[in-house]
Amino acid sequence: DSGVTQTPKHLITATGQRVTLRCSPRSGDLSVYWYQQSLDQGLQFLIQYYNGEERAKGNILERFSAQQFPDLHSELNLSSLELGDSALYFCASSVGTGVYYEQYFGPGTRLTVT
Amino acid sequence: GQQLNQSPQSMFIQEGEDVSMNCTSSSIFNTWLWYKQEPGEGPVLLIALYKAGELTSNGRLTAQFGITRKDSFLNISASIPSDVGIYFCAGQLRKSGGGADGLTFGKGTHLIIQP
Repeated sequence: DSGVTQTPKHLITATGQRVTLRCSPRSGDLSVYWYQQSLDQGLQFLIQYYNGEERAKGNILERFSAQQFPDLHSELNLSSLELGDSALYFCASSVGTGVYYEQYFGPGTRLTVT
Repeated sequence: GQQLNQSPQSMFIQEGEDVSMNCTSSSIFNTWLWYKQEPGEGPVLLIALYKAGELTSNGRLTAQFGITRKDSFLNISASIPSDVGIYFCAGQLRKSGGGADGLTFGKGTHLIIQP
């Protein structure tokens, strides 16, 4: 158990809908990262927040957004969902921001868009 | 963006054999990491490497940060059934002005242990 929690574990929704994925980092960690894992693209970095502020952006679609709240939990919002958004979404956390801080991954949320 | 080439894609080995896998990149990274993922779970950090040339062990696992900063390898000695899973390499690059980009992952090596 990494100490990172994600809810829900599974989510099934229809095209065009909007969903929110939630992540609670390990105790003491200030950074949260979101990743998408799909069969064709593999594991891809989406976005990072550190202590409530956006710090790095990867291959995140404009239909997707995220935020980190004062209690440090983070939410990833996915809107106007398409079939291709079906994937595993992972949250990872680390103590700080930078190359010397190891990232620990949560169990993921499996999103199925029908 | 940066891409990591991880090989082999899959490995079929006998229990007790040693395993070797590697990752190469066309550009440098400041940090190399190795993760293992099992079905239905998130990636689990195995080894983190921070310095070119660094060789680090974690039990039966040994990994090295290539001297050119563009490659890394992971060795597993005397494999056991619980080593089955997908192994991912990941690189991270420092950003100018502080902080770092997110991790860039390889496509993974599927390790399968034959009875």
